[in-house]
Amino acid sequence: AQSVTQLGSHVSVSEGALVLLRCNYSSSVPPYLFWYVQYPNQGLQLLLKYTSAATLVKGINGFEAEFKKSETSFHLTKPSAHMSDAAEYFCAVPLGTNAGKSTFGDGTTLTVKP
Amino acid sequence: DSGVTQTPKHLITATGQRVTLRCSPRSGDLSVYWYQQSLDQGLQFLIQYYNGEERAKGNILERFSAQQFPDLHSELNLSSLELGDSALYFCASSVVGDYNEQFFGPGTRLTVL
Repeated sequence: AQSVTQLGSHVSVSEGALVLLRCNYSSSVPPYLFWYVQYPNQGLQLLLKYTSAATLVKGINGFEAEFKKSETSFHLTKPSAHMSDAAEYFCAVPLGTNAGKSTFGDGTTLTVKP
Repeated sequence: DSGVTQTPKHLITATGQRVTLRCSPRSGDLSVYWYQQSLDQGLQFLIQYYNGEERAKGNILERFSAQQFPDLHSELNLSSLELGDSALYFCASSVVGDYNEQFFGPGTRLTVL
């Protein structure tokens, strides 16, 4: 079954620094991959979605992710962190043909230092 | 604002009790999903309904049940509550069930004492 692994439960960066949040998927190539963001006391919000159309996916708030089949990775990046980026980030892969059965990674909490 | 509403926002109850959580999907969305988020289990998919019918089942306990009504709102019923059921319960909706973006509600925080 498809699964994702997020490396690093906590990532801390300085404001203006590069943000890199890591996600690896299981060996079989998934047709879709998602990154969601959860701000404090809120529900999850879709950041971006990989749909096999392009390996580099641009999302909201300046985030992007690159699908690398050779590395089974879908890491999330942002060139310059902003204080408002502090949140928890989840990588997810749908199971079968139903996105509702997405399996979510354990999440990575991003802290941005002034 | 995702357009998905959940009530109540907070719920405090005792072990052994039964509660009902309510979700109203975005206008036009036929699919509703329920998730449980806790510190030890992370984000777990519970169940999905599509246009009134159960479509997919995840890690939902037998003590829990859900339904989707003709007006497409959904309710999650949790009974014989245990301390371990304390968690954030999210509802999400999408237009259809397959690979579409899910829009999450703000969640209901359940505390079982």
